[in-house]
Parts: sequence; structure tokens; C-alpha cells
Amino acid sequence: DAGVIQSPRHEVTEMGQEVTLRCKPISGHNSLFWYRQTMMRGLELLIYFNNNVPIDDSGMPEDRFSAKMPNASFSTLKIQPSEPRDSAVYFCASSFLSGGQLSEQYFGPGTRLTVT
Amino acid sequence: TQLLEQSPQFLSIQEGENLTVYCNSSSVFSSLQWYRQEPGEGPVLLVTVVTGGEVKKLKRLTFQFGDARKDSSLHITAAQPGDTGLYLCAGARGGNKLVFGAGTILRVKS
Repeated sequence: DAGVIQSPRHEVTEMGQEVTLRCKPISGHNSLFWYRQTMMRGLELLIYFNNNVPIDDSGMPEDRFSAKMPNASFSTLKIQPSEPRDSAVYFCASSFLSGGQLSEQYFGPGTRLTVT
Repeated sequence: TQLLEQSPQFLSIQEGENLTVYCNSSSVFSSLQWYRQEPGEGPVLLVTVVTGGEVKKLKRLTFQFGDARKDSSLHITAAQPGDTGLYLCAGARGGNKLVFGAGTILRVKS
């Protein structure tokens, strides 16, 4: 299995531009998570989906952030407009949730976003 | 304010030494996980502990979940350079949502 796939691996953009991060979860997994990691705040959960439905988006910092999961094999995280403080590494993770029990989350390699 | 406090934040030791990393909270968790993250990669799960007082061993790594399920520790025996990385604890209160600690950066020098 290829694991969780994220693209791009690196993104450099100017303030005000739209940024779209992409994620392909592991086949068969029914939960997908978007995290943001910075030195100051560590690893923070932004939003997670179960069976393609957003369950908890309380970690999404502002309306500038939006996430979609149109099908079980693809998700996007969009920032519009981007700001320098959005610079971070964004991780996508997937897992198989069964019976409400905590399961292993498999993380992708991350997208390093730099907003200048 | 971190819901899960990890200590120490940074640890630099010589190969062969033992070490313990702590993860503390005032909240009760249904389960707790430990992950290790290497530079340029995502975190990788090491262990999940569920029962208060539970102890799990993974080769030279020993994980303990506090009796009250509010804290956990990771002990590494005879550390090796390959153990170098960021160690993260993550707590769950039910379901699949995790809260991560800030992490402990471990550097093992040969």
C-alpha cells in the first residue's frame, strides 16, 4: 500500500493567494483528518471526516479555511486568502474507525506551506 | 494552554543511556497513544494504551498509562541514535479525535 498521499509536498505562495492542499487516504479507511503543525502550537487537529462527512471542524481557525471530501479517496484543504501566519506543515491522516474505538492514524508526509 | 503537557521539551543524551518522557494532564482520557516523528515525515504510531495502570513494552521502549488515565510515560532503555526523533503523546476521550502534546525532541548521540 502506498500509504496516505499528499500533494504538493512544498508550496510557496504570496499573501492573498489561494492555496489548495490535496490528500488521498489509504484505501478502505473511513476516517480522514487534517492537522497543522508549527513550532509554536505543535500538532493541531483542524477537521476530521467520517465516511466523507465532516464531523468536527472546531479546529478550523477561520472562514478562510475550508475542507471538502467529495469521495472516500480524496480530500482538499483550501486556504483563501492565504496569510503569512498560515505558514506551517499540514498533515493529512486516515484511519479505520470501527465500533467507536480509537484506531491507529496513518499520517501522510505533509505539505510544507510558506506564505510570503 | 496545552491539554497534554509533555516533559522534557528537549533531551540530548549519549548512546546507551536510559531516559523517561512524561505526558501529563488534568483530564481523563479513554485511551492514549504515543507517536514518533522523524524530520520531514508524519508521525508514526508506537503504542496505544487503554486501561489505567497498563504497561506495554516494545523492545527497549516501555509505556505506562497512569492509574487514573490522566498521565503516561515512555521509558527508553539503552537509547540508540536510531531513537532520535520527536515523541508525541496523544489523548482521546472517545471516538477517533486526538489531542496532541507539544512533543519531546530526543537526540541520541553516538
